[in-house]
Amino acid sequence: GAGVSQSPSNKVTEKGKDVELRCDPISGHTALYWYRQSLGQGLEFLIYFQGNSAPDKSGLPSDRFSAERTGGSVSTLTIQRTQQEDSAVYLCASRPPGQPYNEQFFGPGTRLTVL
Amino acid sequence: KNEVEQSPQNLTAQEGEFITINCSYSVGISALHWLQQHPGGGIVSLFMLSSGKKKHGRLIATINIQEKHSSLHITASHPRDSAVYICAGLGHGGSQGNLIFGKGTKLSVKP
Repeated sequence: GAGVSQSPSNKVTEKGKDVELRCDPISGHTALYWYRQSLGQGLEFLIYFQGNSAPDKSGLPSDRFSAERTGGSVSTLTIQRTQQEDSAVYLCASRPPGQPYNEQFFGPGTRLTVL
Repeated sequence: KNEVEQSPQNLTAQEGEFITINCSYSVGISALHWLQQHPGGGIVSLFMLSSGKKKHGRLIATINIQEKHSSLHITASHPRDSAVYICAGLGHGGSQGNLIFGKGTKLSVKP
């Protein structure tokens, strides 16, 4: 079956522009996560959606970052007024319903480069 | 100090060697996730475990909740095992579900 997909795979933008990154989770997965991996750094949590509950936004680094999940499926991560330090690989993961410690399935990521 | 610490940071092994990667955590977690990230960035889930031991092929993961420690073992290592191995703790409570990541262990297996 289809895995988690993300688009675009690569995005190059100029400082100050807005970008939108898309994640299509595995069908039926109720939990969706966004993570970021900066060059030479580990992965860091950004935001977590679980069903119809209010998202856990505790990992968003600034108010320039926002995310939404429409219809409990596709999610979009938006970065406004991009800065060079936003350059990173943005990863999306989804998890099937049930226990939080069901495994998460990761997408291939979107590599964002801010010039 | 990071909440999830891995050791070693880098590991070079000869094909066939038995490999151990360690993960210690200082936060309360409900489970621990081992991930594999290949060159090119794709991340694959290896194990999620909350107690005891799990085995899949040549990979074995163990966790000791009381000692806040987990290990990933690879038996009969092969060059295709070369990757970054990441452990991540699954948070409790309000952050239930999100992962707290270690910085990864870069494994290189030489033929």
